[in-house]
Amino acid sequence: AQSVAQPEDQVNVAEGNPLTVKCTYSVSGNPYLFWYVQYPNRGLQFLLKYITGDNLVKGSYGFEAEFNKSQTSFHLKKPSALVSDSALYFCAVRDGASGTYKYIFGTGTRLKVLA
Amino acid sequence: NAGVMQNPRHLVRRRGQEARLRCSPMKGHSHVYWYRQLPEEGLKFMVYLQKENIIDESGMPKERFSAEFPKEGPSILRIQQVVRGDSAAYFCASSPNTNTEAFFGQGTRLTVV
Repeated sequence: AQSVAQPEDQVNVAEGNPLTVKCTYSVSGNPYLFWYVQYPNRGLQFLLKYITGDNLVKGSYGFEAEFNKSQTSFHLKKPSALVSDSALYFCAVRDGASGTYKYIFGTGTRLKVLA
Repeated sequence: NAGVMQNPRHLVRRRGQEARLRCSPMKGHSHVYWYRQLPEEGLKFMVYLQKENIIDESGMPKERFSAEFPKEGPSILRIQQVVRGDSAAYFCASSPNTNTEAFFGQGTRLTVV
């Protein structure tokens, strides 16, 4: 069965410092991996995805993520955090080979960027 | 191209009433997903539909909940005889195929009083 783990409920980082939000996954086939961000009382906004190709994926607002197959991880990163990056971040996985097209989401990590 | 449109944004129902949540996918999108989010929690998958077909309803409660995506018109998530535990934010997402990301609507916040 598909699953996603976001081990940190909250990550605090100072403005201007690099940030990392962790995600590990479990699927039976090839993983399709996604990061979404949610601001208060809003829907989810797509940030980036990994389907195939380069392990380092670049997305919106300066975010990037690295797919690591051996560690089954897809950590979200940004070189220099902004206060406006403060939000709830969700990692999601779909099993590309099983025919199961639903997205399974992690429990979310709240990012707080301190000025 | 308008985004995924959900209405109403807020819905208040008394216990025992019916709630009907609507989702209009983005133009050209034939895949629709419904998710439920409880306060301070992640998104729980409910159902995945393509036009006129339910593909995966493994996350739907067996009773009181139903979903449809007719050939014409929006997708509807219907909750009959609502209870307080149904209070949550319900999000709809759509995609044009199974190889791209899904785009989410703003959600419908259901409150059962």
